[in-house]
Amino acid sequence: GQQVMQIPQYQHVQEGEDFTTYCNSSTTLSNIQWYKQRPGGHPVFLIQLVKSGEVKKQKRLTFQFGEAKKNSSLHITATQTTDVGTYFCGAYSGAGSYQLTFGKGTKLSVIP
Amino acid sequence: DGGITQSPKYLFRKEGQNVTLSCEQNLNHDAMYWYRQDPGQGLRLIYYSQIVNDFQKGDIAEGYSVSREKKESFPLTVTSAQKNPTAFYLCASSIGLLTDTQYFGPGTRLTVL
Repeated sequence: GQQVMQIPQYQHVQEGEDFTTYCNSSTTLSNIQWYKQRPGGHPVFLIQLVKSGEVKKQKRLTFQFGEAKKNSSLHITATQTTDVGTYFCGAYSGAGSYQLTFGKGTKLSVIP
Repeated sequence: DGGITQSPKYLFRKEGQNVTLSCEQNLNHDAMYWYRQDPGQGLRLIYYSQIVNDFQKGDIAEGYSVSREKKESFPLTVTSAQKNPTAFYLCASSIGLLTDTQYFGPGTRLTVL
């Protein structure tokens, strides 16, 4: 089945530093979604990307979908302690697949 | 994330016992899902249902069963055939398959002793 690789698995940053997580697939994706899970919590939807090369911003968060629709990134500018959590990408391959395949997530720690 | 309830939050069972996890939603969503989350493994799909009385296996359905008798409810039974049932179980729903957003419940942490 489809696999979605997400790197890095862990990231420790000093508060104020930037952070990026990457999501890669060997197949073309129909769309990609990003979720955030706080420690002890459940995943919460952040954004969906559908178009090739699409870039969307939410305050300090920038999401990008690759031109070939095989990869995506989430970049956080000037991290804050409230950004702590695990960030997951989830992707649909389309072609009759009704399954959202998740990456293993990137766990972000922010050192104050 | 509001509108989906899972109970209980923590559940303990003895090895060899079946256990049913509850998931209820009042969002009027057609599609519902069950995921299993283990440390470092991300979210893995167990079962999903697009409409009442219909459900499909996900990647790791062995040892699990579901039912979808009502639109609002999608209970998951962890059977004794599941070799490693201790995990965090998340239920989710969406308006329909291939849709914008999956809304997750708070999860049930199952520990089998």
